[in-house]
Amino acid sequence: KAGVTQTPRYLIKTRGQQVTLSCSPISGHRSVSWYQQTPGQGLQFLFEYFSETQRNKGNFPGRFSGRQFSNSRSEMNVSTLELGDSALYLCASSFRTGDSGELFFGEGSRLTVL
Amino acid sequence: DQQVKQNSPSLSVQEGRISILNCDYTNSMFDYFLWYKKYPAEGPTFLISISSIKDKNEDGRFTVFLNKSAKHLSLHIVPSQPGDSAVYFCAASSNTNAGKSTFGDGTTLTVKP
Repeated sequence: KAGVTQTPRYLIKTRGQQVTLSCSPISGHRSVSWYQQTPGQGLQFLFEYFSETQRNKGNFPGRFSGRQFSNSRSEMNVSTLELGDSALYLCASSFRTGDSGELFFGEGSRLTVL
Repeated sequence: DQQVKQNSPSLSVQEGRISILNCDYTNSMFDYFLWYKKYPAEGPTFLISISSIKDKNEDGRFTVFLNKSAKHLSLHIVPSQPGDSAVYFCAASSNTNAGKSTFGDGTTLTVKP
């Protein structure tokens, strides 16, 4: 069973640009969530999608957005990049709700903003 | 307001000894608590979880203890092995807010041979 796949793995952008990250969840998983990890920080929740609907959103500015497609694949977009957006962006999928909430993570997309 | 806290950024133990990683939380509405392990250049992987209605869950060398009155949980690894060296994240989730997990900042465990 293939795991969560994130693309691209690494990318470098400059301030003011925008970026789109992609995530393919484990087959059969309908929930996809996104997290940001910066050095020395835990995982900060960005948002979660379930059946193409955003169910939860973290405390990030509107420059951070996402969507989910009918095949459960998800994308997140960051517009007008700032230096502080440099981070590892992790996507996670899960099968069902109401259980322990165990998440299956991808390897992440490491974004560097210059 | 950080709802899940791991106050020890790092922990170093000798191979074969016990590793104890701690986590505190403030939100009494959490229904599940989970531990994840993360190696460099990889995503976190699920290790073990515990329901808020239990006080202990064991899986091989890993045991998680939950003290609800103190809003505290701990992960015990016995015996510790060098391959356990990684960053360990404590996380919490609630049934009413399904799909969102709240993570601590992580504890870097180093197991010395």
